[in-house]
Amino acid sequence: NAGVTQTPKFRVLKTGQSMTLLCAQDMNHEYMYWYRQDPGMGLRLIHYSVGEGTTAKGEVPDGYNVSRLKKQNFLLGLESAAPSQTSVYFCASRPGKSGANVLTFGAGSRLTVL
Amino acid sequence: GESVGLHLPTLSVQEGDNSIINCAYSNSASDYFIWYKQESGKGPQFIIDIRSNMDKRQGQRVTVLLNKTVKHLSLQIAATQPGDSAVYFCAEKRSGGNQFYFGTGTSLTVIP
Repeated sequence: NAGVTQTPKFRVLKTGQSMTLLCAQDMNHEYMYWYRQDPGMGLRLIHYSVGEGTTAKGEVPDGYNVSRLKKQNFLLGLESAAPSQTSVYFCASRPGKSGANVLTFGAGSRLTVL
Repeated sequence: GESVGLHLPTLSVQEGDNSIINCAYSNSASDYFIWYKQESGKGPQFIIDIRSNMDKRQGQRVTVLLNKTVKHLSLQIAATQPGDSAVYFCAEKRSGGNQFYFGTGTSLTVIP
C-alpha cells in the first residue's frame, strides 16, 4: 500500500498566486488532516475532516480552504498565497472513531512563497 | 493558550546509552498520547502510544511513561543507535476530540 501520498512535493509561488495541494490515502481512513510545520513550532493543524463531505477548522485555518469530495482525497487550497504561508505541509489520516487513533503521515509538501 | 511542550529542544547521547525525552502537557482532559519520530526530509512516523488509563507502555527498545499527576510523559529509548537520530514529537488528543496537538519537538543526536 502507498499509504498517504502528497502532491506536489515542492512548489514555489509568487505572492498572490493560488494553488492546491492534494492528499490521497488508500487505507479507507475516515479522518484526514492538514498540518503545517515551521521551524521551532512543531506541527500546527490547519483543517481536518471526519468524513467525506465534511471539513472543520483547526488551529491556524486563515488563508486556507479545504475540500473532501471523495473519501480518499483531501485538498488544501491557497487562494492568494502570502510569504507567511511558506512552510512544509503534511497530510495525515486515521481510521476514525471506532479505529486506532494513530495518524499516518505523508512525506510532506514544501511550499515557498516569494 | 494550552499547549504540549518539551523540556529540552536538543539532546546528544553516546551510541549504546539510553535516551530520555520529556514532554509536558497542560490539559487534564487529554486521554491519549503519541510519540512520533521525524527524520530529515520525511513525515513523522509513529513510535508508541499510551492511553491515560495506563502509566507505562513498552515497545521494541522504547518505553513511554505517563505521570498524570504532574501532566508529564517521557519516551525512553534503550541502547540508542545512530539510526535513532531524529526529531521526536509528543502529541496529545483530548477526550472526545478529533484534534491532535503537537509539541515543538526534541532533536536527538546519537554520537558514534
